[in-house]
Amino acid sequence: EVQLVQSGAEVKKPGESLKISCKGSGYSFTSYWIGWVRQMPGKGLEWMGIIYPGDSDTRYSPSFQGQVTISADKSISTAYLQWSSLKASDTAMYYCVRRDGSGHYLDYWGQGTLVTVSS
Amino acid sequence: AIQLTQSPSSLSASVGDRVTITCRASQGISSALAWYQQKPGKAPKLLIYDASSLESGVPSRFSGSGSGTDFTLTISSLQPEDFATYYCQQFNNYPRTFGQGTKVEIK
Repeated sequence: EVQLVQSGAEVKKPGESLKISCKGSGYSFTSYWIGWVRQMPGKGLEWMGIIYPGDSDTRYSPSFQGQVTISADKSISTAYLQWSSLKASDTAMYYCVRRDGSGHYLDYWGQGTLVTVSS
Repeated sequence: AIQLTQSPSSLSASVGDRVTITCRASQGISSALAWYQQKPGKAPKLLIYDASSLESGVPSRFSGSGSGTDFTLTISSLQPEDFATYYCQQFNNYPRTFGQGTKVEIK
């Protein structure tokens, strides 16, 4: 069974750094792109970027380029989303997603990680 | 970036109603469109891919159609468990983009 299990909720202060994780299981982790989707409170879905763990090829949405870093450690089947300096506007639910192998749609979603940034 | 505009933004419907949601792309995207359903407090779930292909396990009352710039998601007979927010997403160009969502509420 394919599963994406994300790390737990985080409460941080503005200016702090953060790295959240997404562990894939039940499939060949290095053969599928893994992405991140943001959902701000009460708002819609925003595609942030995606990485191919096999060779670390990464694509970012221009809206998020330079604001976050997406990475993956294929030895432990885990993808990451990190911030070097959080802002209050980063408060949101973050979902990791798997991109289908042959298509480009998002066939599996993690349970979400709630990030709250508040002084 | 390609913009996706869904209409309506929300709708009220009764159990058994036929419901149609549209998604319009700012430029042609062939059939590179998916539909997702999100219930409150839950992660979205894939319903339709490649504009009209039903994801495994999704009830047949859901269907998708369209190509190019105009797409529709139809629920043939609305069930209580279908009250949710629905999003379209294009995967023809980077960055991938989502529509703003359509909330389907109980009348």
